[in-house]
Amino acid sequence: GAGVSQSPRYKVAKRGQDVALRCDPISGHVSLFWYQQALGQGPEFLTYFQNEAQLDKSGLPSDRFFAERPEGSVSTLKIQRTQQEDSAVYLCASTPEGNTIYFGEGSWLTVV
Amino acid sequence: SQQGEEDPQALSIQEGENATMNCSYKTSINNLQWYRQNSGRGLVHLILIRSNEREKHSGRLRVTLDTSKKSSSLLITASRAADTASYFCATEIKGSNYKLTFGKGTLLTVNP
Repeated sequence: GAGVSQSPRYKVAKRGQDVALRCDPISGHVSLFWYQQALGQGPEFLTYFQNEAQLDKSGLPSDRFFAERPEGSVSTLKIQRTQQEDSAVYLCASTPEGNTIYFGEGSWLTVV
Repeated sequence: SQQGEEDPQALSIQEGENATMNCSYKTSINNLQWYRQNSGRGLVHLILIRSNEREKHSGRLRVTLDTSKKSSSLLITASRAADTASYFCATEIKGSNYKLTFGKGTLLTVNP
């Protein structure tokens, strides 16, 4: 595709509900990242994949957050039992090894 | 936690004027990058400056890096209304070849 594609763009979840956010990186990009951006803040690192391997998940805020990239392309960020503090924009990014990082438009999550 | 701090938090100028934004960081870096984010959109990579570089240009953008002061500046010359956006600096910390740490951003408004 032309760029990093994320879906859904907007999601309203009731507190306690599970959500799944999808990222389609640019074809052939080895590295994939998830960032969380709260309102009025800069993005914060969540996790990093190289192909299908999750090499760093140090930024995931709790064990309710889980990310996978089983075939080394599409990635899913899952949040279980959502809480209000999970409300944020979730940004996916991909890059060919060592080059410019391309960000998607983000998935805006509101937990009510 | 956010390593970069942009200054000012908000900047309002007239079209045609120059805009300067500053970024300070705390630890040694591999490189520093600047991104733009239009309201409700994803991040767009603007420019990357490596730790052994002092100045870099790209079109109307000029970036400087002073590693002794752990600071960088982004200058946008001859600003246009379309430059209105939030601008973030992001550092790739030494020892990490993938993780970016973002500041809180500068909101630039260019008035026509």
